[in-house]
Amino acid sequence: GAVVSQHPSRVICKSGTSVKIECRSLDFQATTMFWYRQFPKQSLMLMATSNEGSKATYEQGVEKDKFLINHASLTLSTLTVTSAHPEDSSFYICSARDFGREKGYNEQFFGPGTRLTVL
Amino acid sequence: DAKTTQPTSMDCAEGRAANLPCNHSTISGNEYVYWYRQIHSQGPQYIIHGLKNNETNEMASLIITEDRKSSTLILPHATLRDTAVYYCIVRVSSNSGGSNYKLTFGKGTLLTVNP
Repeated sequence: GAVVSQHPSRVICKSGTSVKIECRSLDFQATTMFWYRQFPKQSLMLMATSNEGSKATYEQGVEKDKFLINHASLTLSTLTVTSAHPEDSSFYICSARDFGREKGYNEQFFGPGTRLTVL
Repeated sequence: DAKTTQPTSMDCAEGRAANLPCNHSTISGNEYVYWYRQIHSQGPQYIIHGLKNNETNEMASLIITEDRKSSTLILPHATLRDTAVYYCIVRVSSNSGGSNYKLTFGKGTLLTVNP
């Protein structure tokens, strides 16, 4: 299957700072990427859908000014958590869609996740 | 997306088959059944998907009932490394267009494979 990478895998920051997380599709072009957040012992919650070259679509309750998403190329999307606070500590996972696959084939691939801890 | 119902947890002995059920009684005719799993502190991993016919790949088999209201994921010979949360998701094929192709995760089933 296609590979999606995330960087960094783990980050610890002080409250009030901003943190950028990168998501890359390594061997395919991803016109659409998704950002999820997962709190301990909970399921993945979709935060936003990122389309290359256009503004991201945020899910209800997700602050777009706090979670800045940029999808400037077909292989890279970034999530910036601005002015992070301890309640933003979570596991952030990106996912990318490969439109090059045949119809019906699994077309959404997940990154390994980024563990954010805000002190 | 149609909602799915899965047991919270299941246990399985190593080497035995693991059968994970999923109910999706409100599934629409154009919605596929997808299975993903998430090993602790990792991103979800695709396992298998199907529409109406049973499917098999190198990881698992997917059995979908004739009325498509439920399905079962079968891991034929479970190993300790199969311990994970297994998610059953129904959604339209991405080629259907529109915005309803998002994968929405429920709580899944925690499968624990015991030695």
